[in-house]
Amino acid sequence: NAGVMQNPRHLVRRRGQEARLRCSPMKGHSHVYWYRQLPEEGLKFMVYLQKENIIDESGMPKERFSAEFPKEGPSILRIQQVVRGDSAAYFCASSPGFRGNEQFFGPGTRLTVL
Amino acid sequence: DQQVKQNSPSLSVQEGRISILNCDYTNSMFDYFLWYKKYPAEGPTFLISISSIKDKNEDGRFTVFLNKSAKHLSLHIVPSQPGDSAVYFCAASGGHTNAGKSTFGDGTTLTVKP
Repeated sequence: NAGVMQNPRHLVRRRGQEARLRCSPMKGHSHVYWYRQLPEEGLKFMVYLQKENIIDESGMPKERFSAEFPKEGPSILRIQQVVRGDSAAYFCASSPGFRGNEQFFGPGTRLTVL
Repeated sequence: DQQVKQNSPSLSVQEGRISILNCDYTNSMFDYFLWYKKYPAEGPTFLISISSIKDKNEDGRFTVFLNKSAKHLSLHIVPSQPGDSAVYFCAASGGHTNAGKSTFGDGTTLTVKP
C-alpha cells in the first residue's frame, strides 16, 4: 500500500531553468496539497487541488509558479525561471477529502538552485 | 500575520518525563487542530487531532488539550522516549467535514535525552 510518492527526491537547477516536481497521492485520495519549507522555517501552504481543479492557490507566488492535478497522472508543481530563493523542500500531501482534515505527506523534494 | 504560532523553537526533556508542546492560534474560524511529527529528510506524519467540540483527545502516550477561550492547544507526551525526538508541527484548519488547507506553525524541535 504505497503512500504519497514524490519525485525526484533531490533536484538541482541553475538559475533561469525550470523545475518540475511530481506528486502521486495515496490510492483513493482525490485531494492534493503542496507546501514549501524554507530553511529554518515551518511549512507554508502553497496550493490545494482536486482532480482537474485548483481549489485554493492563495499561497502560490503570483509569478513563475503553477500547479496542476490532471485527470490522469500525478500532480505537478512547476517553477519557471528558478531563482536562488526558490531553494527549499517542497512537500506534497493528500487526503481522501471526506473524513476530517488529516493529510498524508510525501517525503518531499529538495530543490537546490545554483 | 502568522495565524498559528509555536513560540518555543526547541524543548529538551529527560527520558521518562513529560513533554509539553504548546501552540496558539488567532483565527476563531479554525475548528480542527492537528499535530504532526517530522524526522529529518522525511515528510511530516500525522500524530493526533482534536475537533473544537472537544477539549481533550488521548491516544496512547499522546494527549492533546484544547482551550478555545484562550485559543491555545498543547500536546502532552508521557512518558517521553528518545524516539520521540523530532520536530512537532501544530496545524489548524476550518471546516471539520471538508478537506481543506491546513495552516502550520513553525514547529518545535523536541529532544528527549536518555
